[in-house]
Amino acid sequence: GAVVSQHPSRVICKSGTSVKIECRSLDFQATTMFWYRQFPKQSLMLMATSNEGSKATYEQGVEKDKFLINHASLTLSTLTVTSAHPEDSSFYICSATRGRATNYGYTFGSGTRLTVV
Amino acid sequence: KQEVTQIPAALSVPEGENLVLNCSFTDSAIYNLQWFRQDPGKGLTSLLLIQSSQREQTSGRLNASLDKSSGRSTLYIAASQPGDSATYLCAVRPRNAGNMLTFGGGTRLMVKP
Repeated sequence: GAVVSQHPSRVICKSGTSVKIECRSLDFQATTMFWYRQFPKQSLMLMATSNEGSKATYEQGVEKDKFLINHASLTLSTLTVTSAHPEDSSFYICSATRGRATNYGYTFGSGTRLTVV
Repeated sequence: KQEVTQIPAALSVPEGENLVLNCSFTDSAIYNLQWFRQDPGKGLTSLLLIQSSQREQTSGRLNASLDKSSGRSTLYIAASQPGDSATYLCAVRPRNAGNMLTFGGGTRLMVKP
């Protein structure tokens, strides 16, 4: 159990366009999902916390107008990179945990490699 | 503020060796600690989850221990195999940070045939 599906796994887009990444919890309800960014050979950097039915909470330094997060249901959160630029090229990973219980672990998606050309 | 450190940052061993990866955290007020594996270009795979009330968890050749009072966890890998080559990350769920995980920097493991 506890599977998180993330799509697409790879995307190449032109500079100035927008890209949407989906994160779905397949067999559980996730009231909270998290979006991370990872640079080569570095650990994960939390970008934002996505709560179902409310606005996302962004970490310091993350532009909320560039990285739009929508968590419209208990099983789906989306990250849209708007007006993408080459410096937005990175590996993006989502994660989720079951409900609000503190004894559950976190499940991660398989990640999305974004390349902006 | 919780800080998580993993030592060593990189490790190369011959196949068959038993090895220990270390994780330390500065604030013992945690709900649990989780060990993950990440292969290049992939997401994170959960290996073991240890609740704050537990001392260890085992899964196959993996054994993770937790000493909350001293802020330490170890991941023991028995009889290492080339397929174990990956980056191993530990993460704690602090009691005062809602649902957020705090990650260590990871240990890059290479097991040579």
